[in-house]
Amino acid sequence: NAGVTQTPKFRILKIGQSMTLQCTQDMNHNYMYWYRQDPGMGLKLIYYSVGAGITDKGEVPNGYNVSRSTTEDFPLRLELAAPSQTSVYFCASSLTGRGSETQYFGPGTRLLVL
Amino acid sequence: DAKTTQPNSMESNEEEPVHLPCNHSTISGTDYIHWYRQLPSQGPEYVIHGLTSNVNNRMASLAIAEDRKSSTLILHRATLRDAAVYYCILREPSYNDMRFGAGTRLTVKP
Repeated sequence: NAGVTQTPKFRILKIGQSMTLQCTQDMNHNYMYWYRQDPGMGLKLIYYSVGAGITDKGEVPNGYNVSRSTTEDFPLRLELAAPSQTSVYFCASSLTGRGSETQYFGPGTRLLVL
Repeated sequence: DAKTTQPNSMESNEEEPVHLPCNHSTISGTDYIHWYRQLPSQGPEYVIHGLTSNVNNRMASLAIAEDRKSSTLILHRATLRDAAVYYCILREPSYNDMRFGAGTRLTVKP
C-alpha cells in the first residue's frame, strides 16, 4: 500500500491564482482530512470528509473548498491565493472518526504564495 | 476542548531512555491520549495511544497517571532517528477533530 499520497510536493503561486492540491489514499478509509501547518506551529484542521459526498468545515476553512466524489480522493481547492495561505498542507485519512482511531498522514505539499 | 501542556524542547543522549511529559489536567473520562511525532520535512506519524492503562508497542511506551491528568511517552533507547517534534493530543471518543499544539522538539545527541 502506498498509504496517503499528495501532489504536488511544492508549488509557488502568485496572489490571486488558484490551484488544487491532490490527495489520494489506498487504504479504503472512510474519513479524510486536510490540515495546514504554519512555521513552528502545530497542525490546524481545514476540512474533513466522513465519506464520498460528505464534507464539513474544520477550524480554519476560509479561502478553501473541498469535494469528495470517491472514497480514494479528497482534493483541496484554493481560490484567489493570498500570502496568508503560505503553509505546508497535509492530508490524512482514518478508517473511522472515533477517538481511538489512528490518522495516517501524507508527506505534505509546501505552498508559497507571492 | 481539553488542552495539553508540553515542554517546548528536550535533549537526550543517543541510546539513553527519554521521558516526554504531557499535562492534561482538564481531560474528560472518555478522552483518548494520543502521541504523534513529526520528523523533519515529513507528515506526522502515529506513535501510541491509550485510555487508562499503560501501553507498549514496538516504538514506545505510554505511562498514564492514575488520575489521568498527565502522561509520559517513553522512548526506551533514543536513536538519532528519533529526533522529531512529539505531539500529545487528546481525542474525544466520537469527535473527528485532532487538535495539535506546538509539541516538544526532541534533540538526540550522539
